[in-house]
Amino acid sequence: SQQGEEDPQALSIQEGENATMNCSYKTSINNLQWYRQNSGRGLVHLILIRSNEREKHSGRLRVTLDTSKKSSSLLITASRAADTASYFCATQGGSSNTGKLIFGQGTTLQVKP
Amino acid sequence: GAVVSQHPSRVICKSGTSVKIECRSLDFQATTMFWYRQFPKKSLMLMATSNEGSKATYEQGVEKDKFLINHASLTLSTLTVTSAHPEDSSFYICSAETSGRSYEQYFGPGTRLTVT
Repeated sequence: SQQGEEDPQALSIQEGENATMNCSYKTSINNLQWYRQNSGRGLVHLILIRSNEREKHSGRLRVTLDTSKKSSSLLITASRAADTASYFCATQGGSSNTGKLIFGQGTTLQVKP
Repeated sequence: GAVVSQHPSRVICKSGTSVKIECRSLDFQATTMFWYRQFPKKSLMLMATSNEGSKATYEQGVEKDKFLINHASLTLSTLTVTSAHPEDSSFYICSAETSGRSYEQYFGPGTRLTVT
């Protein structure tokens, strides 16, 4: 079952602007991960944030996690046309402690040159 | 490192036939592999968890007799779509988990199945 809700579903910005995507989930987790998918391709792992972490950075990416609100955000700074893709959050773990990932609905990002 | 391949990348088959999709971990051993299905412009839906040498665990609503999963070795899992119908047309993606590090999964490039 899909437990992640992402918003917005679609986002269109100009190159150089920042893009923020949000993800909410319902159950307890061990970690939350963000993935990127170009059209018709596989997934690329972007960043993982553990349940005891609040913020993480990787290059132009910044991820926050608020376990009290069961939500996460992904910020892409100084966006580029090449950032155009779909972005998914995925939660892992929790009480069942399995490795399976439960994906959110995704945000489609378009960065206009 | 940590490369996962899928074969074929695209397949077109006729209704009623069966199609096998392979997922291989090329440079690591994967005790667990996962199979996902993705409809156009939609998210990934987990179909089943495949453990080497044992039966796959299917998610609720996934027909185990229709989607046969075999994980015969630490580097290979196969998904067979039996008696395919047009509604089975979809993008199928596998991922592999490295042994002992359950939070790291590596995804294959996906297989586009079209049933005519």
